[in-house]
Amino acid sequence: AQSVTQLDSQVPVFEEAPVELRCNYSSSVSVYLFWYVQYPNQGLQLLLKYLSGSTLVKSINGFEAEFNKSQTSFHLRKPSVHISDTAEYFCAVSLGTSGTYKYIFGTGTRLKVLA
Amino acid sequence: DTAVSQTPKYLVTQMGNDKSIKCEQNLGHDTMYWYKQDSKKFLKIMFSYNNKELIINETVPNRFSPKSPDKAHLNLHINSLELGDSAVYFCASSLLAGGEQFFGPGTRLTVL
Repeated sequence: AQSVTQLDSQVPVFEEAPVELRCNYSSSVSVYLFWYVQYPNQGLQLLLKYLSGSTLVKSINGFEAEFNKSQTSFHLRKPSVHISDTAEYFCAVSLGTSGTYKYIFGTGTRLKVLA
Repeated sequence: DTAVSQTPKYLVTQMGNDKSIKCEQNLGHDTMYWYKQDSKKFLKIMFSYNNKELIINETVPNRFSPKSPDKAHLNLHINSLELGDSAVYFCASSLLAGGEQFFGPGTRLTVL
């Protein structure tokens, strides 16, 4: 069955420390991969995406994620976090065949940055 | 300009009532979605429309009925509201099915 697993429900980290939020997926077909961020009382917004090409993708605010096909992972990293990065982070997979796509979201990881 | 908008932002109602949530996108996208997010932040897709055609209909009680009058609008009507319907409902859209999704601000539904 197709699924997305975010192993950590909460990740506390001190300001300016590095962080990694883990995402693994299972699929027998090719996938597109996404990370979305949800700030308190807001909708989700795209952080970064992997569609094809370079397996390392980066966002404008310092996050990066690497697609690892052999490990079916798409972990999110940031070398130095800020208080403003406190939010819920969702990994998502879009998979499909013959033009029909299914979007699956992970259960989310709450990143809490401590001063 | 708001890309994906939802009304109302908050909705408080009694059990058994019928209510609607409206969604509009001005991005020219072909695909629109409804999601339910519970108190633990779990996000579950409910419906997806592509060019006004229903393409995803997950296991959702038939008290929930989506309506897409045109490509830019996808409304959600809920009959006979129950306590378990309390959640935040998000509308989203994407240019292509399977692509990046743009989310609305959410509608917080509270059923008393």
